[in-house]
Formats: sequence, C-alpha cells, structure tokens
Amino acid sequence: RKEVEQDPGPFNVPEGATVAFNCTYSNSASQSFFWYRQDCRKEPKLLMSVYSSGNEDGRFTAQLNRASQYISLLIRDSKLSDSATYLCAVNQAGTALIFGKGTTLSVSS
Amino acid sequence: DTAVSQTPKYLVTQMGNDKSIKCEQNLGHDTMYWYKQDSKKFLKIMFSYNNKELIINETVPNRFSPKSPDKAHLNLHINSLELGDSAVYFCASSQFGGGGQPQHFGDGTRLSIL
Repeated sequence: RKEVEQDPGPFNVPEGATVAFNCTYSNSASQSFFWYRQDCRKEPKLLMSVYSSGNEDGRFTAQLNRASQYISLLIRDSKLSDSATYLCAVNQAGTALIFGKGTTLSVSS
Repeated sequence: DTAVSQTPKYLVTQMGNDKSIKCEQNLGHDTMYWYKQDSKKFLKIMFSYNNKELIINETVPNRFSPKSPDKAHLNLHINSLELGDSAVYFCASSQFGGGGQPQHFGDGTRLSIL
C-alpha cells in the first residue's frame, strides 16, 4: 500500500460546481497534513494546512478523519482558475513531507 | 522578493557530465529540502538539511551530493548524469524540521539529459 494515495482524476467540472477530493495515508503516526496546489510546469504552492477540527478558507474546506486515515478537500463554487493539480502531503515528526501523486481538476465554462 | 530561489531554471546536458543546482532561501528558515518530480509527476524527497546538518537522506544514488554552506543555502551536485536523472528538481524550506511546518518551494530546475 502506498504511503499517500490520491485518485489522479481528472475531475472535469463546470464552473460553479462543488468538487471534493480525498487522500488516504497509511501511517497512523502521521501528524501533519497539508493540501498543495500545483499548476502546470510550476512549483507546488501551499493551499492550506489541515487541522484536526477541520478548517475553511473561503471556498475551500479541509477535513481530517484520523480513524479512517484520510483527509479531504472540498471546493465550492469552482472557478476556471481552480484548474490545477491538488497534492496532499503528510508527515510524521522528524520526517519530510510525503506527497500523493495529485488529483487533476479541470473547471470548464 | 523571491523567497526560495533556484538556479538554473533549465539545465540541458549530456550523459556522463557533472552539474550543480543552487538554492537559496531568504525566509530565515532552519530547514531546507531537495525533491525530485519525475515525468509521472510524483514528487519525492531526496534530502533534508536542518541548520547545515543532513537529517534526511532517502535512497538516492551517491552520485547526488548535497551541500549546505549555511542554513540559507542548499546546493545539489550530481556526478555522472544518467538519462533517468531527467526530472524537475525542487528546493524547499520550512521554518523548522520535524513536521508540522508547511514547506515553501522554489520554482524548480528542469534537468534534461541528452
């Protein structure tokens, strides 16, 4: 089982749609969780950290489910500019981030 | 002001050559990293340094040698380049190592081996 797994997609949605991605992790000792966004031929950029109680930043909501070992990202009212690859990242104390392979989102008008 | 900067942005060279990539961060972070992103877009950690000391060394061929002259710089030297080294190499930094800290990435060095 891979350490961090994501559905690669692509997810093709119209503008205004709500879309959700999940990311599962295998190590129950994982402590920190993040969502990154990567545009084509660009570097990953931090979208948001994921906190135990869940957190929201505008149209984006992140959730953590420790019992089932997954994190999720919900995007409401999708914009064309949301088209990108979304990477989840997980780490344990003393280690570097382990990234999933990313989920590709394409928002169309 | 660029927070994490890498040079060069593009590197095209022949098999067997030796090349270096430089990285600098002006965020005052203690920890720096090198990642490799291959053609399948998988982003994988190679090395991590905390305040000039190596703390993570994943299974990377010893042709790859990182060097950190100070905590703001982490360079990567690659000997005897092979076709499989073609990838995008990202430098990143975080305030501390040890988890819990988001990482900030440079814009990558695209290495192509002919």
